[in-house]
Amino acid sequence: GENVEQHPSTLSVQEGDSAVIKCTYSDSASNYFPWYKQELGKGPQLIIDIRSNVGEKKDQRIAVTLNKTAKHFSLHITETQPEDSAVYFCAATAGGGGYQKVTFGIGTKLQVIP
Amino acid sequence: DTEVTQTPKHLVMGMTNKKSLKCEQHMGHRAMYWYKQKAKKPPELMFVYSYEKLSINESVPSRFSPECPNSSLLNLHLHALQPEDSALYLCASSHPGGGEAFFGQGTRLTVV
Repeated sequence: GENVEQHPSTLSVQEGDSAVIKCTYSDSASNYFPWYKQELGKGPQLIIDIRSNVGEKKDQRIAVTLNKTAKHFSLHITETQPEDSAVYFCAATAGGGGYQKVTFGIGTKLQVIP
Repeated sequence: DTEVTQTPKHLVMGMTNKKSLKCEQHMGHRAMYWYKQKAKKPPELMFVYSYEKLSINESVPSRFSPECPNSSLLNLHLHALQPEDSALYLCASSHPGGGEAFFGQGTRLTVV
């Protein structure tokens, strides 16, 4: 089955600095890579995603890159703000069979220090 | 409406109780999921329903019994749980062809 590794597990940055979280996956059949933000007591919320036929995607302060050959993908948050503090999960997904099986990384707890 | 609604938000139950968790979505998604999340861990897949049929059971103990009565509803029936089953239970839905999975806010379950 799929295995997703994520690092770092914790990350502290000063407000305004950038944060980078890196993930690797093992199954070459995975073709969709979402990133979720989970705040305390809430369910995961999608913040950005990328498909395997795209190398980079950006949405305001958030960007994701994918190296399909190396099976690496990364999340970049620029100009971090205190409200970015949360746990971030990368995930790899393979569809088919009328559903998608999502495998999550272990999560990165991001703390943005004002 | 891009919401997945879960009820109740919190549940405390004894080990001999029977209770049910409920999940509802009106996005027309035909794939629905139950996940279990322990503290400081990622969500772990329990069950997948596709077109109201059980497609995946990740070797979940029989004290957890899923049900999908129609394309908008997903239930998780609980019976004779153990304290180690205490966790956040998340429901999610997606289009069967792929794309974003939408998560509910979860039910915080405590077994005493």
